[in-house]
Amino acid sequence: ETGVTQTPRHLVMGMTNKKSLKCEQHLGHNAMYWYKQSAKKPLELMFVYNFKEQTENNSVPSRFSPECPNSSHLFLHLHTLQPEDSALYLCASSQELGTGFSPLHFGNGTRLTVT
Amino acid sequence: AQKVTQAQTEISVVEKEDVTLDCVYETRDTTYYLFWYKQPPSGELVFLIRRNSFDEQNEISGRYSWNFQKSTSSFNFTITASQVVDSAVYFCALSESFFGNEKLTFGTGTRLTIIP
Repeated sequence: ETGVTQTPRHLVMGMTNKKSLKCEQHLGHNAMYWYKQSAKKPLELMFVYNFKEQTENNSVPSRFSPECPNSSHLFLHLHTLQPEDSALYLCASSQELGTGFSPLHFGNGTRLTVT
Repeated sequence: AQKVTQAQTEISVVEKEDVTLDCVYETRDTTYYLFWYKQPPSGELVFLIRRNSFDEQNEISGRYSWNFQKSTSSFNFTITASQVVDSAVYFCALSESFFGNEKLTFGTGTRLTIIP
């Protein structure tokens, strides 16, 4: 596989469930990102990891918990979500931060619906 | 604070027509970067172009061209001889980070539909 792969593509969960989103990149990148895309709103940066270290938490509620075990994998653990958390969650990767410009490579996203 | 405005929510044109997508930005920095990304129906955003604030030259890449005007804080994107494959949501983005990757501020996107 190449590029950035996200699983699952679709997820429906109740407000009391716990689930996880997975992202894997095969590009040799060292920076990974979670974005939230809601209808009619700009993409919102949630978290940034550089060499497995979190460098950005954009005031995201604690019901979203990221995990980056290595530079190729990124998870977003979800628990006690609210209906307004329903959105498309996009993962992206790039070369490590601080070494010059490298475009973001995005996955296809996970369409999350909270019931 | 930085802001990106894409006033056109949706545009529909007939195939082979030219179309321009508008992007207006706000920033207090003198050094910044502007981007365009394309999001086809499959969902992933695809990088199209980056410009830095010191380079106001327009750029052309095949049927795509970009017009950067600092005086009006605009970075417009034109597709000439549009094709059905151009149908997608297009996002303009701004970064005040020196390296361009971090803390991108995206616009709300313009949904472009090319009618065969």
